[in-house]
Amino acid sequence: DVKVTQSSRYLVKRTGEKVFLECVQDMDHENMFWYRQDPGLGLRLIYFSYDVKMKEKGDIPEGYSVSREKKERFSLILESASTNQTSMYLCACRQASVIYGYTFGSGTRLTVV
Amino acid sequence: AQSVAQPEDQVNVAEGNPLTVKCTYSVSGNPYLFWYVQYPNRGLQFLLKYITGDNLVKGSYGFEAEFNKSQTSFHLKKPSALVSDSALYFCAVRAPTGGGNKLTFGTGTQLKVEL
Repeated sequence: DVKVTQSSRYLVKRTGEKVFLECVQDMDHENMFWYRQDPGLGLRLIYFSYDVKMKEKGDIPEGYSVSREKKERFSLILESASTNQTSMYLCACRQASVIYGYTFGSGTRLTVV
Repeated sequence: AQSVAQPEDQVNVAEGNPLTVKCTYSVSGNPYLFWYVQYPNRGLQFLLKYITGDNLVKGSYGFEAEFNKSQTSFHLKKPSALVSDSALYFCAVRAPTGGGNKLTFGTGTQLKVEL
């Protein structure tokens, strides 16, 4: 089974800090995704990547950036954390073919104070 | 643009009774449809998917879903609910082409199974 590991389960950061959320997958999957999950809003796509050094904006990219230097690792960066970025962040990966579903990490619950 | 609606924020059912969690979608072309489950403080786990073929899809933990093209629905069902089925359920859709290579998720339905 594919395993997706998010480096932190819980994080507390201060407003204005630069925050890195790391995600690593142990299979050779091409596509990786970052979502945020908020009550009543479901999952919203922040960024995704379909190959090394490739990235595409999702539905809510403002205030975020990403990095994919290696195939197995996809990092989400909050350039200057704000309280409205307090959320659950979920990383996912998928094989190239669209018939496959996603495999999700356990999530990182980020609180910005 | 593709979208998913889960009209119920919460569904309550007694253990042993059948359960249904509703999902309707909007997408151009034939949809790819998915159901995921999330337990507290965990990531989402894949339950089942519809890509093509038989409209009744069977998945993990005894769940099944029925694809209805005319009603643009993909409701999740289980004949006999368990307390351990209590969790948050998400429906997701994507178009077979285009759509930005991404799944669009619904807002989720909290299932509560009581003794």
